[in-house]
Amino acid sequence: DAGVTQSPTHLIKTRGQQVTLRCSPKSGHDTVSWYQQALGQGPQFIFQYYEEEERQRGNFPDRFSGHQFPNYSSELNVNALLLGDSALYLCASSSKWTSGKETQYFGPGTRLLVL
Amino acid sequence: SQQGEEDPQALSIQEGENATMNCSYKTSINNLQWYRQNSGRGLVHLILIRSNEREKHSGRLRVTLDTSKKSSSLLITASRAADTASYFCATDQGGTYKYIFGTGTRLKVLA
Repeated sequence: DAGVTQSPTHLIKTRGQQVTLRCSPKSGHDTVSWYQQALGQGPQFIFQYYEEEERQRGNFPDRFSGHQFPNYSSELNVNALLLGDSALYLCASSSKWTSGKETQYFGPGTRLLVL
Repeated sequence: SQQGEEDPQALSIQEGENATMNCSYKTSINNLQWYRQNSGRGLVHLILIRSNEREKHSGRLRVTLDTSKKSSSLLITASRAADTASYFCATDQGGTYKYIFGTGTRLKVLA
């Protein structure tokens, strides 16, 4: 039973470029959340996708957007990259989300470096 | 913004000793979860405690929750070198679908 997978593992971009990160949820899970983790900090919630719709969003600008596909996999897109976007991006999946009562399983993350 | 604050920020102990870390949060919650993160990679779920529970055990882990003080503690007994990691608490925000993570405690277990 595959866990949460993310690709790529590492990525280097320059300021102003755009990036797409990918996530496949754990088998049987239908909800995907994305988090940004800066060095030395805890993860910060970006948004959550369920039934191909963005259901909840954290305090991130519109440069951060996402998508969920019918097979529940998800993408995170970041436009007009800034140096401050350098971070570890984590994807978490869960199932039958009921007001925060379900455990989230995290992928290994994508480390993004913006130069 | 960070809802949870872990204390201490860093902890260094000898193998076999117990490690205790604390988490405080600001708003009402439905549940609180503890995660472990090794070397800046993905988070591993350790334990979930619901707001109507006061204590929970899982192997060498013991978690307590005091909703009146808005705080939780994670105790790792008989620590091992493999327990070296960062530990985070995460709380849901009632009525929303997001979890708020604390700043983490970096635990180092010396062999």
